[in-house]
Amino acid sequence: AQRVTQPEKLLSVFKGAPVELKCNYSYSGSPELFWYVQYSRQRLQLLLRHISRESIKGFTADLNKGETSFHLKKPFAQEEDSAMYYCALIAGNTGKLIFGQGTTLQVKP
Amino acid sequence: DSGVTQTPKHLITATGQRVTLRCSPRSGDLSVYWYQQSLDQGLQFLIHYYNGEERAKGNILERFSAQQFPDLHSELNLSSLELGDSALYFCASSVTFRSWELFFGEGSRLTVL
Repeated sequence: AQRVTQPEKLLSVFKGAPVELKCNYSYSGSPELFWYVQYSRQRLQLLLRHISRESIKGFTADLNKGETSFHLKKPFAQEEDSAMYYCALIAGNTGKLIFGQGTTLQVKP
Repeated sequence: DSGVTQTPKHLITATGQRVTLRCSPRSGDLSVYWYQQSLDQGLQFLIHYYNGEERAKGNILERFSAQQFPDLHSELNLSSLELGDSALYFCASSVTFRSWELFFGEGSRLTVL
């Protein structure tokens, strides 16, 4: 079965510190992976997708098939990065976008 | 606002009752998704419709049903409600069934007493 695991419910860092939000997935085929973000009082929205290999708001994520991970990283956290982050997986052509349980990132001044 | 619209925003009802949650997708989007977010749970995928047809189904209870109408709005029907059905129900839409940039609504918060 397809599954996305985000082991940390809460990650608290100081401004300027590096950030790594962990995401592990379970899927036997070739996954497509995404990070979604929900800022306070805003709607859940797409942050980035692995196939784009892009950096959005300073965040990057690399798909590691050997470790079945798709961790989200940023070298220097900003207070405005405080939000709820969800890792998500598309399993093949199933039409299902499966989300992890989410990690709240708190960036302290 | 041309974004995803969900009604009602809040709903309080009793066990055993039936409710209908409504979702209007973004203009032009053909896919609609429903998710349930319970306390301490992530977003649980319920069902995905594309252009009026069911595309994928998740762990949706038999007491729950959904449909997408010709005008592309969607309704999620929840019946024989139980306390455990209390949750935030999100609707999201995307342009096609292979476009995984989902645009989410604000959610409908259901409280079952």
